[in-house]
Amino acid sequence: AQSVTQLGSHVSVSEGALVLLRCNYSSSVPPYLFWYVQYPNQGLQLLLKYTTGATLVKGINGFEAEFKKSETSFHLTKPSAHMSDAAEYFCAVSVPSGYSTLTFGKGTMLLVSP
Amino acid sequence: NAGVTQTPKFRILKIGQSMTLQCAQDMNHNYMYWYRQDPGMGLKLIYYSVGAGITDKGEVPNGYNVSRSTTEDFPLRLELAAPSQTSVYFCASSYLGTGQETQYFGPGTRLLVL
Repeated sequence: AQSVTQLGSHVSVSEGALVLLRCNYSSSVPPYLFWYVQYPNQGLQLLLKYTTGATLVKGINGFEAEFKKSETSFHLTKPSAHMSDAAEYFCAVSVPSGYSTLTFGKGTMLLVSP
Repeated sequence: NAGVTQTPKFRILKIGQSMTLQCAQDMNHNYMYWYRQDPGMGLKLIYYSVGAGITDKGEVPNGYNVSRSTTEDFPLRLELAAPSQTSVYFCASSYLGTGQETQYFGPGTRLLVL
């Protein structure tokens, strides 16, 4: 079975600073990896995903993530934080299958201060 | 398109009561999912469905039941509500279930069992 570990339940940055949210996964087969974002009192929406091909994946709102097989990591970054980035971020993993489901990490709350 | 809709938005139940959480999607997606979200725990899969008439258990199915009579609807039933079922419930859908598809989430139902 696959699993996801997100380091840090809360990350605080200043507006304009680099955002780095960490995600490590465990999977016995090559995984598919996702980052979802949840704004207050809303459902989750996809930020970006890695399936195959280029290991550096760009998503919405200036976020990107790099799949590093040797480190079993899929960290999320953004060069310059905006106040509007304050939200909870979830890393998730799935594997190729006819009936595949997502396994989510516990989430990281991003706090952005002026 | 409305996407994934959920009703009600919020409900208070007494212990032992029953209720049905409604979920509908208008994207002609084959796969539908029910998750529960508890603070600091991420999302846990309760049940999922790969098409009308076909459902399967997820990670935390105890205390819940589902049915899928149409492609559009995937209701979640709580038969005997318990305080441990206090949570936020999210319904999601995807076109296929091979693992790499984006899941689209509803806005959630907040349930309080007292």
